This record gives sequence, structure tokens and C-alpha cells, in this order.
Amino acid sequence: DAGVTQSPTHLIKTRGQQVTLRCSPISGHKSVSWYQQVLGQGPQFIFQYYEKEERGRGNFPDRFSARQFPNYSSELNVNALLLGDSALYLCASSFGGANTGELFFGEGSRLTVL
Amino acid sequence: QKEVEQNSGPLSVPEGAIASLNCTYSDRGSQSFFWYRQYSGKSPELIMSIYSNGDKEDGRFTAQLNKASQYVSLLIRDSQPSDSATYLCAVNYGNNRLAFGKGNQVVVIP
Repeated sequence: DAGVTQSPTHLIKTRGQQVTLRCSPISGHKSVSWYQQVLGQGPQFIFQYYEKEERGRGNFPDRFSARQFPNYSSELNVNALLLGDSALYLCASSFGGANTGELFFGEGSRLTVL
Repeated sequence: QKEVEQNSGPLSVPEGAIASLNCTYSDRGSQSFFWYRQYSGKSPELIMSIYSNGDKEDGRFTAQLNKASQYVSLLIRDSQPSDSATYLCAVNYGNNRLAFGKGNQVVVIP
């Protein structure tokens, strides 16, 4: 079975641009979460979606937005990119809102902002 | 602010030895705790979950939880070179939102 898939795997943008990252969860998983991981740090929670509804938002500015589609895939959008947005963006899926915290991560999208 | 602290620096252990990792957390109401392993350039992978006080063993891994002291630990017995990775402690504070520590790098020396 396919795991969590993310695209693109690497991308380079310049300050002020906008980026869209995509994620497909494991088949049957209805929850998708997004995390930002800066080099040398642990992942930081950005959003969680379950059944197409936003269930949680981390401490990130409004430049960050996300949505989940009827097929449970998800997009993360970041507007007005800053140098500090350079990071690995991880998507994680889980079956549902069972509050287990057992997440399955994709390989990530590595964003470099110049 | 939900904090998860992993303060130890890189840990070098000889092959076959025990690696011991520690983690403290600030949210006394947290109920579930996890250890993720992350190889360099890869994404985190769940290796242990623990929900009750005490020890939980899975193969060469043992997780220990003490809620009164807000402390979680991970022991890796008979360490192998393939265990060389960064180990992330994570605490669930609701709806699958995990707070992660910054991680501890483990290097197993053959």
C-alpha cells in the first residue's frame, strides 16, 4: 500500500512569492496534519484537518492556510514567503480523530526561500 | 505553550550498549506520549507509544513514563549501527496535534 505522498519534494522560491504544497494520505486515513521542521529542530504543528474540517491550528501567521478535499488529500499554502519559511514541510496522516497521536509522515517538501 | 524538552546533546554509544534518552513535558494533562525516529534526510517514523505510567517494551526498545514527574524516557538495548538517528519525543495535546522536542542524535559506534 502507498504511504503518505507529498509533492513537490524540493522547491526554491524567492521572498514574496507564494507556494502550494500537496499531500495524499494513506488510503482510508481521514485526518491530515501539517508540520514545519526547521533544520536542527523538531517538527512544529501548523494545521490539522479531519473530514475536511480544520480541527487545529498552530502558532503560525495567517500567511499559512490549508484545506482538505473530499478525497482527503490536502494542500498547504504559504503566501508572501519570508526567508524564515525555509524548512521541511511534513504532512502526516492518521485514521481519524481517535486522539491517538500515531501519525504516519510523508517524506516532506523541502522549501528554500531565497 | 506546550513544551517538550530534550536537553541532552548527541549521544555516542558503542555497538551492543544501551542508549538512554530522556524527555520532559510541561502539560500535566497530557495523556499520550511517543518516540519517533528520524534518519538524516528522512521523515519521522513512529517507534514507540506509551499511555500509562510504567514501562512498555517492544523488541530492543523500552519506553518509560512517569506522569507525576512529567518525564518520558527511551532505552535502546543492544544498540546497532542502524539505530544511529535522531530520536524525537512527542506529546499529544489533543486531536492528533503533537508537540515535539528538538530531538536527540544517537550515534552507534561499531
